[in-house]
Amino acid sequence: AQSVTQLDSQVPVFEEAPVELRCNYSSSVSVYLFWYVQYPNQGLQLLLKYLSGSTLVESINGFEAEFNKSQTSFHLRKPSVHISDTAEYFCAVISSQGGSEKLVFGKGTKLTVNP
Amino acid sequence: NAGVMQNPRHLVRRRGQEARLRCSPMKGHSHVYWYRQLPEEGLKFMVYLQKENIIDESGMPKERFSAEFPKEGPSILRIQQVVRGDSAAYFCASSPRGLLSNQPQHFGDGTRLSIL
Repeated sequence: AQSVTQLDSQVPVFEEAPVELRCNYSSSVSVYLFWYVQYPNQGLQLLLKYLSGSTLVESINGFEAEFNKSQTSFHLRKPSVHISDTAEYFCAVISSQGGSEKLVFGKGTKLTVNP
Repeated sequence: NAGVMQNPRHLVRRRGQEARLRCSPMKGHSHVYWYRQLPEEGLKFMVYLQKENIIDESGMPKERFSAEFPKEGPSILRIQQVVRGDSAAYFCASSPRGLLSNQPQHFGDGTRLSIL
């Protein structure tokens, strides 16, 4: 069964510092990976995804993630964070259990960017 | 083009009452997914519906929970005889096709259910 582990529940950083949010997955079949961001009292917004092709994927706001098959990881990185990046970030994988494709989420990482 | 609309945003119920959560998918989206988010947890899949059909309800509790997506109108998640453990945020997502079609799911802002 597909599963996702986000090792860090909270990550505090200072503004303009680099950040890495870790995500490891477990899957015995083809892997499709996502990062979502959730701002307070809002739903999830897709940040980036890996379905196939280049293992390095980028978002429009400076985040990137690299699919690493040998390490079963899909870590999210940003070289310089802003206060506005403060949010909770969820890594997800597509699972086909139960007869259809659905998202299986990690428990989330709360990123707090301090001035 | 309005996003996924969920209402109410907040719902308070007493133990034993019924809770009805509504989700209007984005225009042109016929695939609807319901997820539940407990405090300090990620989202957990509950049910996947297409118009008038339940495709996958493997994440739904066997009792008290039901979902529908009629031909006309919003998708409804119904919880009968609510208990304290049902307190959570319930999110709906929609997509024009299945997840492997390279079309992302769009999420609503959720309904926060509180049971007194």
